[in-house]
Amino acid sequence: DQQVKQNSPSLSVQEGRISILNCDYTNSMFDYFLWYKKYPAEGPTFLISISSIKDKNEDGRFTVFLNKSAKHLSLHIVPSQPGDSAVYFCAASAAGSARQLTFGSGTQLTVLP
Amino acid sequence: EAEVAQSPRYKITEKSQAVAFWCDPISGHATLYWYRQILGQGPELLVQFQDESVVDDSQLPKDRFSAERLKGVDSTLKIQPAELGDSAMYLCASKGLAYGYTFGSGTRLTVV
Repeated sequence: DQQVKQNSPSLSVQEGRISILNCDYTNSMFDYFLWYKKYPAEGPTFLISISSIKDKNEDGRFTVFLNKSAKHLSLHIVPSQPGDSAVYFCAASAAGSARQLTFGSGTQLTVLP
Repeated sequence: EAEVAQSPRYKITEKSQAVAFWCDPISGHATLYWYRQILGQGPELLVQFQDESVVDDSQLPKDRFSAERLKGVDSTLKIQPAELGDSAMYLCASKGLAYGYTFGSGTRLTVV
Protein backbone atom coordinates (compact mmCIF):
# COMPACT_ATOMS: atom_id res chain seq x y z
CA ASP A 1 0.00 0.00 0.00
CA GLN A 2 1.71 3.15 -1.24
CA GLN A 3 1.18 5.93 1.24
CA VAL A 4 2.91 8.51 -0.94
CA LYS A 5 2.16 8.50 -4.65
CA GLN A 6 3.69 10.30 -7.55
CA ASN A 7 1.52 9.31 -10.46
CA SER A 8 3.58 10.91 -13.21
CA PRO A 9 6.77 8.96 -13.86
CA SER A 10 8.06 11.65 -16.19
CA LEU A 11 7.56 15.27 -17.16
CA SER A 12 9.13 17.33 -19.96
CA VAL A 13 9.14 21.12 -19.85
CA GLN A 14 10.66 23.82 -22.00
CA GLU A 15 13.43 25.91 -20.46
CA GLY A 16 12.04 29.06 -18.86
CA ARG A 17 8.57 27.63 -18.37
CA ILE A 18 7.01 26.37 -15.14
CA SER A 19 7.44 22.77 -13.98
CA ILE A 20 4.72 21.38 -11.74
CA LEU A 21 5.34 18.09 -9.98
CA ASN A 22 2.51 16.47 -8.06
CA CYS A 23 2.30 14.19 -5.07
CA ASP A 24 -0.62 12.59 -3.23
CA TYR A 25 -0.64 10.92 0.15
CA THR A 26 -3.08 8.72 1.99
CA ASN A 27 -1.85 8.78 5.60
CA SER A 28 -3.60 11.58 7.48
CA MET A 29 -0.93 11.38 10.20
CA PHE A 30 1.70 12.84 7.90
CA ASP A 31 2.50 16.34 9.07
CA TYR A 32 5.76 17.18 7.36
CA PHE A 33 6.55 16.95 3.68
CA LEU A 34 9.77 17.24 1.74
CA TRP A 35 10.99 17.23 -1.82
CA TYR A 36 14.29 15.67 -2.77
CA LYS A 37 16.13 15.88 -6.06
CA LYS A 38 18.28 13.04 -7.35
CA TYR A 39 20.81 12.90 -10.14
CA PRO A 40 21.91 9.52 -11.52
CA ALA A 41 24.51 7.71 -9.41
CA GLU A 42 24.10 10.21 -6.56
CA GLY A 43 22.09 10.26 -3.37
CA PRO A 44 18.96 12.40 -3.04
CA THR A 45 19.53 15.99 -2.00
CA PHE A 46 17.05 18.00 0.03
CA LEU A 47 15.23 20.68 -1.92
CA ILE A 48 12.38 22.19 0.08
CA SER A 49 9.95 21.21 2.80
CA ILE A 50 6.63 22.25 4.28
CA SER A 51 4.90 21.69 7.58
CA SER A 52 1.22 20.83 7.70
CA ILE A 53 0.52 24.11 9.50
CA LYS A 54 1.34 25.94 6.30
CA ASP A 55 -0.07 25.78 2.79
CA LYS A 56 2.86 27.30 0.94
CA ASN A 57 6.60 27.54 1.27
CA GLU A 58 8.88 29.33 -1.14
CA ASP A 59 12.62 29.21 -1.69
CA GLY A 60 13.91 31.02 -4.73
CA ARG A 61 12.62 29.33 -7.87
CA PHE A 62 11.01 26.54 -5.85
CA THR A 63 7.58 26.69 -4.21
CA VAL A 64 5.76 23.87 -2.50
CA PHE A 65 2.00 23.99 -2.05
CA LEU A 66 0.09 21.80 0.38
CA ASN A 67 -3.63 21.06 0.20
CA LYS A 68 -4.37 19.05 3.33
CA SER A 69 -8.03 18.48 2.58
CA ALA A 70 -7.11 16.90 -0.75
CA LYS A 71 -3.99 15.23 0.69
CA HIS A 72 -2.06 16.70 -2.19
CA LEU A 73 1.12 18.66 -2.57
CA SER A 74 2.90 20.09 -5.53
CA LEU A 75 6.30 21.48 -6.33
CA HIS A 76 6.52 24.43 -8.70
CA ILE A 77 9.79 25.33 -10.36
CA VAL A 78 9.84 28.62 -12.21
CA PRO A 79 11.63 29.35 -14.38
CA SER A 80 12.80 25.83 -15.18
CA GLN A 81 16.43 25.39 -16.15
CA PRO A 82 18.21 22.49 -17.90
CA GLY A 83 20.14 21.84 -14.69
CA ASP A 84 16.85 21.05 -12.97
CA SER A 85 16.61 17.84 -15.00
CA ALA A 86 16.63 15.08 -12.39
CA VAL A 87 14.33 12.69 -10.54
CA TYR A 88 12.22 14.43 -7.91
CA PHE A 89 10.99 12.49 -4.90
CA CYS A 90 8.19 13.56 -2.64
CA ALA A 91 8.53 12.36 0.97
CA ALA A 92 6.42 12.57 4.09
CA SER A 93 6.82 11.93 7.79
CA ALA A 94 4.59 11.71 10.84
CA ALA A 95 5.15 12.54 14.47
CA GLY A 96 5.65 9.42 16.54
CA SER A 97 7.13 7.44 13.66
CA ALA A 98 10.65 8.38 14.67
CA ARG A 99 10.30 10.83 11.79
CA GLN A 100 10.92 8.15 9.19
CA LEU A 101 10.46 9.39 5.67
CA THR A 102 8.11 7.60 3.32
CA PHE A 103 8.97 8.30 -0.31
CA GLY A 104 7.00 8.39 -3.50
CA SER A 105 8.26 6.62 -6.59
CA GLY A 106 9.67 9.76 -8.16
CA THR A 107 9.10 11.89 -11.26
CA GLN A 108 11.79 12.28 -13.89
CA LEU A 109 11.86 15.94 -14.91
CA THR A 110 13.49 16.84 -18.21
CA VAL A 111 13.95 20.52 -19.00
CA LEU A 112 14.50 21.02 -22.68
CA PRO A 113 16.77 23.85 -23.83
CA GLU B 1 29.25 21.50 4.11
CA ALA B 2 29.00 18.34 6.21
CA GLU B 3 28.45 15.14 4.26
CA VAL B 4 27.43 11.55 4.80
CA ALA B 5 30.24 9.34 3.52
CA GLN B 6 29.52 5.99 1.90
CA SER B 7 31.78 3.40 0.38
CA PRO B 8 32.20 1.79 -2.00
CA ARG B 9 30.42 3.84 -4.66
CA TYR B 10 30.00 0.80 -6.89
CA LYS B 11 30.12 -2.91 -6.17
CA ILE B 12 29.71 -5.88 -8.48
CA THR B 13 29.40 -9.23 -6.81
CA GLU B 14 28.40 -12.72 -7.79
CA LYS B 15 25.26 -14.18 -6.34
CA SER B 16 25.75 -16.17 -3.15
CA GLN B 17 28.75 -14.04 -2.22
CA ALA B 18 28.88 -11.73 0.78
CA VAL B 19 28.97 -7.96 0.37
CA ALA B 20 29.27 -5.09 2.83
CA PHE B 21 28.65 -1.37 2.66
CA TRP B 22 29.96 1.30 4.99
CA CYS B 23 28.49 4.62 6.08
CA ASP B 24 29.88 7.47 8.16
CA PRO B 25 27.12 9.95 9.09
CA ILE B 26 27.44 13.64 9.73
CA SER B 27 29.23 14.21 13.02
CA GLY B 28 26.79 14.49 15.88
CA HIS B 29 23.84 12.96 14.04
CA ALA B 30 22.39 10.35 16.34
CA THR B 31 19.91 8.92 13.85
CA LEU B 32 21.14 6.85 10.94
CA TYR B 33 19.11 5.14 8.23
CA TRP B 34 19.80 2.60 5.53
CA TYR B 35 17.51 2.77 2.51
CA ARG B 36 17.36 0.69 -0.64
CA GLN B 37 16.33 2.23 -3.91
CA ILE B 38 15.43 0.03 -6.87
CA LEU B 39 15.51 1.81 -10.20
CA GLY B 40 12.16 3.41 -10.95
CA GLN B 41 11.04 3.29 -7.34
CA GLY B 42 11.43 5.51 -4.32
CA PRO B 43 13.85 4.74 -1.48
CA GLU B 44 12.54 2.16 1.00
CA LEU B 45 13.70 2.01 4.60
CA LEU B 46 15.69 -1.04 5.61
CA VAL B 47 16.85 -0.11 9.10
CA GLN B 48 16.95 2.87 11.44
CA PHE B 49 19.45 3.39 14.27
CA GLN B 50 19.30 5.78 17.18
CA ASP B 51 22.88 5.94 18.40
CA GLU B 52 23.94 2.29 18.53
CA SER B 53 20.43 0.89 18.96
CA VAL B 54 18.16 -0.41 16.22
CA VAL B 55 14.89 1.55 16.26
CA ASP B 56 13.23 -0.16 13.32
CA ASP B 57 14.38 -3.09 11.23
CA SER B 58 10.95 -4.39 10.32
CA GLN B 59 11.69 -4.13 6.58
CA LEU B 60 15.15 -5.68 6.76
CA PRO B 61 15.29 -9.20 5.25
CA LYS B 62 17.00 -10.63 8.30
CA ASP B 63 17.71 -14.02 6.77
CA ARG B 64 20.38 -12.41 4.62
CA PHE B 65 20.79 -8.79 5.69
CA SER B 66 22.43 -7.48 8.84
CA ALA B 67 23.30 -4.00 10.03
CA GLU B 68 25.33 -2.70 12.89
CA ARG B 69 26.41 0.59 14.40
CA LEU B 70 28.58 -0.62 17.22
CA LYS B 71 29.85 2.67 18.61
CA GLY B 72 26.92 4.78 17.54
CA VAL B 73 28.92 6.49 14.81
CA ASP B 74 29.62 4.69 11.54
CA SER B 75 27.56 1.77 10.33
CA THR B 76 27.91 -1.33 8.18
CA LEU B 77 25.21 -3.07 6.16
CA LYS B 78 25.95 -6.63 5.09
CA ILE B 79 24.27 -9.01 2.67
CA GLN B 80 25.08 -12.71 2.79
CA PRO B 81 24.39 -14.41 0.48
CA ALA B 82 23.64 -11.84 -2.20
CA GLU B 83 20.82 -12.59 -4.64
CA LEU B 84 20.13 -11.16 -8.08
CA GLY B 85 17.16 -9.22 -6.72
CA ASP B 86 19.42 -7.33 -4.33
CA SER B 87 20.77 -5.25 -7.20
CA ALA B 88 19.88 -1.69 -6.22
CA MET B 89 21.32 1.52 -4.81
CA TYR B 90 21.89 1.37 -1.08
CA LEU B 91 21.57 4.77 0.54
CA CYS B 92 22.66 5.85 3.98
CA ALA B 93 21.21 8.96 5.58
CA SER B 94 21.61 10.71 8.88
CA LYS B 95 19.42 13.14 10.75
CA GLY B 96 20.11 15.76 13.34
CA LEU B 97 17.47 17.85 15.06
CA ALA B 98 15.75 18.97 11.86
CA TYR B 99 13.13 16.84 10.18
CA GLY B 100 14.95 16.20 6.95
CA TYR B 101 17.69 13.73 6.24
CA THR B 102 21.06 14.16 4.59
CA PHE B 103 21.83 11.32 2.23
CA GLY B 104 25.17 9.96 1.17
CA SER B 105 26.03 9.32 -2.47
CA GLY B 106 24.97 5.70 -2.16
CA THR B 107 26.46 2.36 -3.17
CA ARG B 108 25.29 0.95 -6.48
CA LEU B 109 25.22 -2.84 -6.08
CA THR B 110 25.05 -5.15 -9.07
CA VAL B 111 24.66 -8.86 -8.40
CA VAL B 112 25.58 -11.08 -11.34
